[in-house]
Amino acid sequence: EDQVTQSPEALRLQEGESSSLNCSYTVSGLRGLFWYRQDPGKGPEFLFTLYSAGEEKEKERLKATLTKKESFLHITAPKPEDSATYLCAVQATGNNRLAFGKGNQVVVIP
Amino acid sequence: DAGITQSPRHKVTETGTPVTLRCHQTENHRYMYWYRQDPGHGLRLIHYSYGVKDTDKGEVSDGYSVSRSKTEDFLLTLESATSSQTSVYFCAISDPAGGQETQYFGPGTRLLVL
Repeated sequence: EDQVTQSPEALRLQEGESSSLNCSYTVSGLRGLFWYRQDPGKGPEFLFTLYSAGEEKEKERLKATLTKKESFLHITAPKPEDSATYLCAVQATGNNRLAFGKGNQVVVIP
Repeated sequence: DAGITQSPRHKVTETGTPVTLRCHQTENHRYMYWYRQDPGHGLRLIHYSYGVKDTDKGEVSDGYSVSRSKTEDFLLTLESATSSQTSVYFCAISDPAGGQETQYFGPGTRLLVL
């Protein structure tokens, strides 16, 4: 069974204070690892897909990295608008289903 | 934004009544999914469809049924709603054969079963 564990569950940051979110996973064979952002009362919004260990992707203040066991979402110099819940999901080879973690709730304080 | 709408956006119903939620897409994606999201849990797959009239169960399918008679519409039915089905329901779409592995989500339907 595919499993995804995200840590920390909740994180409070001062504006400008960089930090990282962790997504640990177990999957029979990784087809893709996905990061989403979710704002309160809204649907998940796609951020990144990573396919193989060593891959990195960036978007504004966010950078996602991938190893064979975990992914990190680095938030550099966050702003209050980066406050959200960040969701990690994995897709196994030969499968179109996603297994989601419980999310990292991030609050950035001005 | 992916063209996905869900209706209704909010619904309050009573235990034992049937409820149908609708997901509509304008992207012509082959795959459609229904998830539920509850505090303390990640998004959990209820059912999914890989084409018109082709559906399969997810990890939490008990008490739910689905139908897909057109590419653009995917319906989720709670035959007899229970309080444990109070949740936020999200629809998602993808099109792996068309090179679109990523699942894109709709805005959600908040359901309260009294």
